[in-house]
Amino acid sequence: QQQVKQSPQSLIVQKGGISIINCAYENTAFDYFPWYQQFPGKGPALLIAIRPDVSEKKEGRFTISFNKSAKQFSLHIMDSQPGDSATYFCAAYHSGYSTLTFGKGTMLLVSP
Amino acid sequence: SQTIHQWPATLVQPVGSPLSLECTVEGTSNPNLYWYRQAAGRGLQLLFYSVGIGQISSEVPQNLSASRPQDRQFILSSKKLLLSDSGFYLCAWSVGSGGFDEQYFGPGTRLTVT
Repeated sequence: QQQVKQSPQSLIVQKGGISIINCAYENTAFDYFPWYQQFPGKGPALLIAIRPDVSEKKEGRFTISFNKSAKQFSLHIMDSQPGDSATYFCAAYHSGYSTLTFGKGTMLLVSP
Repeated sequence: SQTIHQWPATLVQPVGSPLSLECTVEGTSNPNLYWYRQAAGRGLQLLFYSVGIGQISSEVPQNLSASRPQDRQFILSSKKLLLSDSGFYLCAWSVGSGGFDEQYFGPGTRLTVT
């Protein structure tokens, strides 16, 4: 019930293209859904987060789409840039425990 | 401003040796503290979290333990390392707000057990 499934495992996108990463969860007790970005050798950093009562949230080139009935959410990176090349993790947050359950990550490479 | 420190940055230890990784947070009080392990292809696995001094919750049964001797200090230990303990260990902190508590991650410790 604590699992968060993330796909694809890796993704190659050309510069200027759209990167799409998908996640699905099982536990309906999760109440926030953040995305983290991690560069090699560094700790992850929060990119964007969404509450389950919102269907979409946009911050700059990054958009989260959320489908509560399907228990799925996705990250869209518009106009992908080589600097976006990193590993992206979706996560689900349980406010009762203040804990995050992470997906296994997607390694994104944006080719110049 | 708040900062989080982890040391050492890298560590190579033989199987069966003890382990002590330290994490400290500056610039905040009574943070929630977390230890994660990141192995290739497995994402971030929550190992321990603490909401206060001496309060430790374990997520995964294993040969690791955690302690919080001071408000802003979190220590990950093992008496005898296994090969499977190799990985990238990340400490994180957050401050409870009643809503989504953003977790801020440290720079990590790369542990190789040989």
